[in-house]
Amino acid sequence: GQQLNQSPQSMFIQEGEDVSMNCTSSSIFNTWLWYKQDPGEGPVLLIALYKAGELTSNGRLTAQFGITRKDSFLNISASIPSDVGIYFCAGQRWGNQGGKLIFGQGTELSVKP
Amino acid sequence: NAGVTQTPKFRILKIGQSMTLQCTQDMNHNYMYWYRQDPGMGLKLIYYSVGAGITDKGEVPNGYNVSRSTTEDFPLRLELAAPSQTSVYFCASSKRAAEAFFGQGTRLTVV
Repeated sequence: GQQLNQSPQSMFIQEGEDVSMNCTSSSIFNTWLWYKQDPGEGPVLLIALYKAGELTSNGRLTAQFGITRKDSFLNISASIPSDVGIYFCAGQRWGNQGGKLIFGQGTELSVKP
Repeated sequence: NAGVTQTPKFRILKIGQSMTLQCTQDMNHNYMYWYRQDPGMGLKLIYYSVGAGITDKGEVPNGYNVSRSTTEDFPLRLELAAPSQTSVYFCASSKRAAEAFFGQGTRLTVV
């Protein structure tokens, strides 16, 4: 079945550093999404990408939809303590499996003040 | 707007018992999803629905059933609870080709 490989699994960084994480797949996706999950909460959407090559920013966050449609990355600039949490990529395809939304394994981010 | 509402928030089941996890959304979204999240792991898709009357299996459907009689509701049924079903369950909804919004989760323990 479809799988998303997200890396790294975890990151320990100093406040102020930039962060980069990515997601790859053997399958093409029509939509890439990036979510953040805080402990005990449901995932919250950070950025949505709908077109190959699209580069989108949301404050200190920047994400790109890979040109091959099989990958995406998320960058966080100048990290702060509240960036701590688990970040998930998710891919969605339309057509025969219309609407199926698959998640990566997550990247756990720790920020040291 | 309430968004996506899940009930209950917590539940302890004995092995072999059955229960229904409720999920309702008030955003008139066609697409709804059920995921489970095991400790330290990502979200695994159990079932999803692209509209009322239409459901399909996800990655880990065994041991679960769903129905979608209305646009708003998408209940998940566990018929014979097993310890392997101990997990946090999340319901989500979306419009077509748009981002999914999640509920707060149901923490289920099977003992």
